Amino acid sequence: QLQLQESGPRLVKPSETLSLTCTVSGGSISSSYYYWGWIRQPPGKGLEWIGNVYLSGSTYYNPSLRSRVTISLDTSKNHFSLKLESVTAADTALYYCARAPPNSDFWSGYDYWGQGALVTVSS
Amino acid sequence: QSVLTQPPSVSGAPGQRVTISCTGSDSNIGTDNEVHWYQQVPGKAPKLLIYDYTNRPSGVPDRFSGSKSGTSASLAITGLQAEDEADYYCQSFDTSLSGSVFGGGTRLTVL
Repeated sequence: QLQLQESGPRLVKPSETLSLTCTVSGGSISSSYYYWGWIRQPPGKGLEWIGNVYLSGSTYYNPSLRSRVTISLDTSKNHFSLKLESVTAADTALYYCARAPPNSDFWSGYDYWGQGALVTVSS
Repeated sequence: QSVLTQPPSVSGAPGQRVTISCTGSDSNIGTDNEVHWYQQVPGKAPKLLIYDYTNRPSGVPDRFSGSKSGTSASLAITGLQAEDEADYYCQSFDTSLSGSVFGGGTRLTVL
């Protein structure tokens, strides 16, 4: 059974960089062509798509975050990562990592999710 | 404001049928970009309920079904159960934004 687990600092200061890693277990990131993504949810609010990375290394980002976000894949460590620069209190959220199979558009629904990591931006 | 519009809340009695709408535009649902639905119980990660408009992942009961018409999609839940009480989100690909978009979410209350 595939499992995803987010890890990284839970408290980040304003203007600094938020960094999270999603470790995949029960399967290899490089074994099949999937999209690996990040989605966040501010406390009490809805889901916001952050971006995806494909096995080929191609990345796709939410236009509203594109200038600040980087998602990368490390197949040797079987994990993928999120970096969000110049954070503010508005970036405080529960950050989820997830997997999406490909479909005729680009990717299908996210079929496996991590449990989420609450990251607070505060001095 | 979400690109995909969902009603904030719906409710129904046990055993009833409810539907949740997801209204988009010509750059997402209207252009045949596929729609996916998630169920999120408070304190838990979202769970994929329907993918690519109408498909159910293994283990999802057939009480849940998806459909699409024009620039809107719908999730139908029949034989409502207390355990269905949760938040539901739709998701699609937006061609103008070159990425995924989510609906604002709908809270389902089982009366």
